[in-house]
Amino acid sequence: QSVLTQPPSASGTPGQRVTISCSGSSSNIGSNTVNWYQQLPGTAPKLLIYSNNQRPSGVPDRFSGSKSGTSASLAISGLQSEDEADYYCAAWDDSLNGPWVFGGGTKLTVL
Amino acid sequence: EVQLVESGGGLVQPGGSLRLSCAASGFTFSSYSMNWVRQAPGKGLEWVSYISSSSSTIYYADSVKGRFTISRDNAKNSLYLQMNSLRDEDTAVYYCARVRYSYGSDWFDPWGQGTLVTVSS
Repeated sequence: QSVLTQPPSASGTPGQRVTISCSGSSSNIGSNTVNWYQQLPGTAPKLLIYSNNQRPSGVPDRFSGSKSGTSASLAISGLQSEDEADYYCAAWDDSLNGPWVFGGGTKLTVL
Repeated sequence: EVQLVESGGGLVQPGGSLRLSCAASGFTFSSYSMNWVRQAPGKGLEWVSYISSSSSTIYYADSVKGRFTISRDNAKNSLYLQMNSLRDEDTAVYYCARVRYSYGSDWFDPWGQGTLVTVSS
């Protein structure tokens, strides 16, 4: 049971916009920033979004993040086949859960 | 190029021990805090342990507290995870990850390629 809650799966067709949600609590998302990691099949996780909505260099602007209250979202616009991956949200947690907690991950399928 | 390379994984019997290593290159290792994160087969990511740049602050997940020990050797640009009293549920790919900080935010970047630990009789 992950501290942060994500839908186990999401899907979309090429060119579509897809959003993945991440729900937490006041001790994590509600009081700290959210990061998103992308894990392509058979590879290590890679930083996708940090500090709620910042993209590292090299990450396409098709990827965007947002946060409101105790929830966060990752949006992918202009969906491409190479976006098919697992996506994880993460945040610092101020309670005994922490210090870092992850979501259970969302498997994105490009139909 | 910033790089993290894990090693030391393998097959170990329940109750056994294993020491993982993470070799860092391409950055000033001694200036960064580090973490271990694991991923059981077919499962999600689980944070395991954190060590500050000077080793003055260390955290463990409850699931490994008292059994795992994180350490680092800044002179050798290396991070370690000593795992004792291993259980079946410790079977996972173990990743090391560097911590980046900025204006009250922190995140993991980059991650190593991972090393597989299998606990089985």
